[in-house]
Amino acid sequence: EDKVVQSPLSLVVHEGDTVTLNCSYEVTNFRSLLWYKQEKKAPTFLFMLTSSGIEKKSGRLSSILDKKELFSILNITATQTGDSAIYLCAVSTGYSTLTFGKGTMLLVSP
Amino acid sequence: NAGVMQNPRHLVRRRGQEARLRCSPMKGHSHVYWYRQLPEEGLKFMVYLQKENIIDESGMPKERFSAEFPKEGPSILRIQQVVRGDSAAYFCASSPMTSGVSYEQYFGPGTRLTVT
Repeated sequence: EDKVVQSPLSLVVHEGDTVTLNCSYEVTNFRSLLWYKQEKKAPTFLFMLTSSGIEKKSGRLSSILDKKELFSILNITATQTGDSAIYLCAVSTGYSTLTFGKGTMLLVSP
Repeated sequence: NAGVMQNPRHLVRRRGQEARLRCSPMKGHSHVYWYRQLPEEGLKFMVYLQKENIIDESGMPKERFSAEFPKEGPSILRIQQVVRGDSAAYFCASSPMTSGVSYEQYFGPGTRLTVT
């Protein structure tokens, strides 16, 4: 059975801190790994990673994939209260259906 | 360009009633996916559809649940004879044609189903 594990499950930091969220996976027929941000509504797409070692960057967020060790990290620098959310990692397999981890709940305190 | 639309946003049903959840994909997207999010759980894949075809329903419960994506109109997730355990948030996502290439999926706002 395909499995995606995220850590930590929850995290509290102060504004301005840098955080690293982890995602490891064991799946058959890997296609890509995706990161989403979920507040009180729809998961919002952040990144899709298909190749090892190539960092994707968007503002203060960045992510990288290691296909040999089967994990990805999501970094957020200079965190802001608006970054508080659940961050979801998902792996695309087979017909491109997504297998999700349980998420990391990030709380950024002022 | 409107995003993925789902309605209703909130749905309350009594045990034994039917629930119908609707999803209109983003413009230009022909692939629809349904996911369920239970309290304290991650999103779980249910079914993947293209127009008039179910491609993968490996995540659908064997009984009471069905899905369709007709040639015209939205995709429908139908739950017959709902039970309390069906209470969850149901999300729809869409993507353009895959053709062997991996595309990101864009999610709708979800329908929160409460069974009383």
